[in-house]
Amino acid sequence: EIVMTQSPTTLSVSPGERVTLSCRASQSISNKLAWYQQKPGQTPRVLIYTASDRATGIPARFSGSGSGTEFTLTISSLQSEDFAVYYCQQYHIWPLTFGPGTKVDMK
Amino acid sequence: EVQLVESGGDVVQSGGSLRLSCAVSGFTFDDNAMHWVRQRPGKGLEWVSLISWDGFTSRYADSVKGRFTISRDNEKNSLYLQMNSLREDDSALYYCARAYDSTGYSKIDYWGQGTLVAVSS
Repeated sequence: EIVMTQSPTTLSVSPGERVTLSCRASQSISNKLAWYQQKPGQTPRVLIYTASDRATGIPARFSGSGSGTEFTLTISSLQSEDFAVYYCQQYHIWPLTFGPGTKVDMK
Repeated sequence: EVQLVESGGDVVQSGGSLRLSCAVSGFTFDDNAMHWVRQRPGKGLEWVSLISWDGFTSRYADSVKGRFTISRDNEKNSLYLQMNSLREDDSALYYCARAYDSTGYSKIDYWGQGTLVAVSS
């Protein structure tokens, strides 16, 4: 099973700041990585797929990069609606696996 | 509009069984593979199972393999999860979710609101 790790566990930021979240796979997953955002009481929504493609309707301030085992989600200027938990997920090898999540909260 | 509506969640004793259902609408059901993903209270997302568009291929997390069975009825636009030998650590909100493509090697692009399963000892 591919183990996904995310760092940091929690990130305290202020609106307007640039945010960088990391995701690491225990073995190469090529670019078969998605990022999801989940706000309290809501279902997850996909932000990024194939490591760097923005999903439909996702603002341009969200971007993804990486391949192999190291991946990054960047929010160029954090908005108030971006406070949430962010999960990465690999879909390269079964079983699919999610990372434990990074919580982005207000400083 | 794509809609996924889960049902069947309940309180059940350890060792018991439960069948979850997911009724879908707003898209051509047999174009897409489908997932079940669960989330324990206050915890992260855990992928549970996938079934291909035609029902011929299914995949399972190690934690549920041999106990859970995923199935689908393309005529009824419905997805199912038969859960047997339930354990307390199966307690979670179970999401029905759509794979972007027919195989599952893709992003999850739509999620239901979830159905709650609670397993008591």
